[in-house]
Amino acid sequence: AQSVSQHNHHVILSEAASLELGCNYSYGGTVNLFWYVQYPGQHLQLLLKYFSGDPLVKGIKGFEAEFIKSKFSFNLRKPSVQWSDTAEYFCAVNAYNAGNMLTFGGGTRLMVKP
Amino acid sequence: NAGVTQTPKFQVLKTGQSMTLQCAQDMNHNSMYWYRQDPGMGLRLIYYSASEGTTDKGEVPNGYNVSRLNKREFSLRLESAAPSQTSVYFCASTTAGTSFNEQFFGPGTRLTVL
Repeated sequence: AQSVSQHNHHVILSEAASLELGCNYSYGGTVNLFWYVQYPGQHLQLLLKYFSGDPLVKGIKGFEAEFIKSKFSFNLRKPSVQWSDTAEYFCAVNAYNAGNMLTFGGGTRLMVKP
Repeated sequence: NAGVTQTPKFQVLKTGQSMTLQCAQDMNHNSMYWYRQDPGMGLRLIYYSASEGTTDKGEVPNGYNVSRLNKREFSLRLESAAPSQTSVYFCASTTAGTSFNEQFFGPGTRLTVL
């Protein structure tokens, strides 16, 4: 069975710092990759997704992620975080043969200090 | 459009009590899902319904039952609640197709079992 690992469980940054959240998955075949964000008290929203093509994907609110197939990774980045980025971030993977099924990582809680 | 709605938002149960969590979507989606979210474990799939009239077990189905009442509604039932079922429950929906489509999430139900 596929699995998704997010190694940073809690991250605390000051405003304007750069952000990189790690995501690794275990499935060896074709995958679709996602980052979801959950702001305090809200439901999950799609931040960005990778299906194919350019491995550097741009999402909303200045976030981007890079798919590195050889490393089974899909790390999330933002050059300069804001207080409003305080949220929990989830990486998710859809294996090509898994229909519409998503496997989620454990999540990373980001706190940005003003 | 309301998107995906869930009721109730909060619930406290005693061990052994039963309850049904309701989910409805107004996006004409074929597929619906129930997840539970626990700290450090991300979202785990409990049950899903690929289309009206079908339901299947996900990763953690024990202790739960589901009903796909019609295309819009997908309910999750706890017949005899246990403290291990204390969690936040999310419903999601998506359009079924030959390729993966984004899942849209509801606001969640926070359940505490004493």
